[in-house]
Amino acid sequence: ELKVEQNPLFLSMQEGKNYTIYCNYSTTSDRLYWYRQDPGKSLESLFVLLSNGAVKQEGRLMASLDTKARLSTLHITAAVHDLSATYFCAGTPPSSGSARQLTFGSGTQLTVLP
Amino acid sequence: DAMVIQNPRYQVTQFGKPVTLSCSQTLNHNVMYWYQQKSSQAPKLLFHYYDKDFNNEADTPDNFQSRRPNTSFCFLDIRSPGLGDAAMYLCATSRLGSGGRQPQHFGDGTRLSIL
Repeated sequence: ELKVEQNPLFLSMQEGKNYTIYCNYSTTSDRLYWYRQDPGKSLESLFVLLSNGAVKQEGRLMASLDTKARLSTLHITAAVHDLSATYFCAGTPPSSGSARQLTFGSGTQLTVLP
Repeated sequence: DAMVIQNPRYQVTQFGKPVTLSCSQTLNHNVMYWYQQKSSQAPKLLFHYYDKDFNNEADTPDNFQSRRPNTSFCFLDIRSPGLGDAAMYLCATSRLGSGGRQPQHFGDGTRLSIL
C-alpha cells in the first residue's frame, strides 16, 4: 500500500523568502503529481513528474523527483502572497494499473506573509 | 473549454435522506473518479470507473454507490447520509493510455452538508 507523507503540514513564510516542501512516499510510484488547492476550491494541477531526476519549473515553483530516495520536493522561490494555498503531492500505487488512482499526502498549508 | 462540471456546488440534505451528486465531462476521458475530502484533509478515493467497469476502494462504505450511464456522466449516490459524510466531494477524470503523463482533471466539487 502506497503511503505519501508531506512536511511541513503548515508553513508560514515571508514574502521574498525561499522554502522547500518535501514529499516522501513508501513504495514504488513512477508518477508523482503536485496539486494546488485554494480554500473551498478544487484541485489545480501544477506538475507531473514522470521519471527519476525530473525537474519542472513554473514561475516561482520548481518540482523535482528522486525515485531512488522516494522523494519529491516543491521549491518556492521569492514567495509572493498569491502563492498562499494548500499544496498536495500524490502518487500512484503500483497496483493502480492503467487507471492510476491517486494517493494524496496530507497537504502543506502555505501562508505567505507580507 | 473542455471541463469537468459538478452539480450542485452546495448540497444540504437531512440525516438519512438519500442524495445524489452529479458530474459531467466534456473531455471524453474514459476514467472517472470520485473523491471525498473532509475539512483540512487530503482527498480520499471512493471509487472509479474505467469505461463501464466499476472499481470500489476496499474501505468505501456500502452507503456510497455510483452510476455511470454513459461516458460523459457519473453520479454519486449516498443512500443514508450520516453526519460523518459531510464533506467536499470531488469528481475527476483521466484518459487511459496517457501513461500517467497527464494529470487528473478535477471538477469544482460539491460541498455536502448534513442537517
